[in-house]
Amino acid sequence: EAGVAQSPRYKIIEKRQSVAFWCNPISGHATLYWYQQILGQGPKLLIQFQNNGVVDDSQLPKDRFSAERLKGVDSTLKIQPAKLEDSAVYLCASSVRQSEAFFGQGTRLTVV
Amino acid sequence: SQELEQSPQSLIVQEGKNLTINCTSSKTLYGLYWYKQKYGEGLIFLMMLQKGGEEKSHEKITAKLDEKKQQSSLHITASQPSHAGIYLCGAPRFNAGGTSYGKLTFGQGTILTVHP
Repeated sequence: EAGVAQSPRYKIIEKRQSVAFWCNPISGHATLYWYQQILGQGPKLLIQFQNNGVVDDSQLPKDRFSAERLKGVDSTLKIQPAKLEDSAVYLCASSVRQSEAFFGQGTRLTVV
Repeated sequence: SQELEQSPQSLIVQEGKNLTINCTSSKTLYGLYWYKQKYGEGLIFLMMLQKGGEEKSHEKITAKLDEKKQQSSLHITASQPSHAGIYLCGAPRFNAGGTSYGKLTFGQGTILTVHP
């Protein structure tokens, strides 16, 4: 079974630029999550999708972050404009109902 | 939101030694997940504990959940260099429809180093 795929693996941008991350969940997983992990901390949930609908985006900084999951499969997370404090690993995870989440390899973002 | 505190924050052991990592919640635990992470990579699922007193083992790793103490422990027996990494505990959070098992609040992680 293929795992959660994320791209790119690494990205370096200057502050005030925009960036987008892509996630392809495990086939059949209706629930998709984006987490932000700052160095030295545990992951923090940004947004949760159920199929193509948003379930929880209470911790998403909506002035600069946006996410979508068209057709209930792939998802993209965008940051515009990026700030230095956005430097982190962005993790995508997926799950079926009542099961553990499976995580992708993550995208390491460095904002300079 | 649920606060999870892990201890110790980092641990250095000699190969072959046993070790324990603790995860304490400031709120009631309805379940607890343990994940392992290699630096800069994704999380690998280790174990899920759902009931008070539950204990699970996989190879040389054992995890227990003590609901009364709002605490979980992860114990590694006869550690090996392959056990090195960051260990994270996570507690499920809730949606309006009930518990969402992939929607987790994580501890800050415990960095484990195993010297050969």
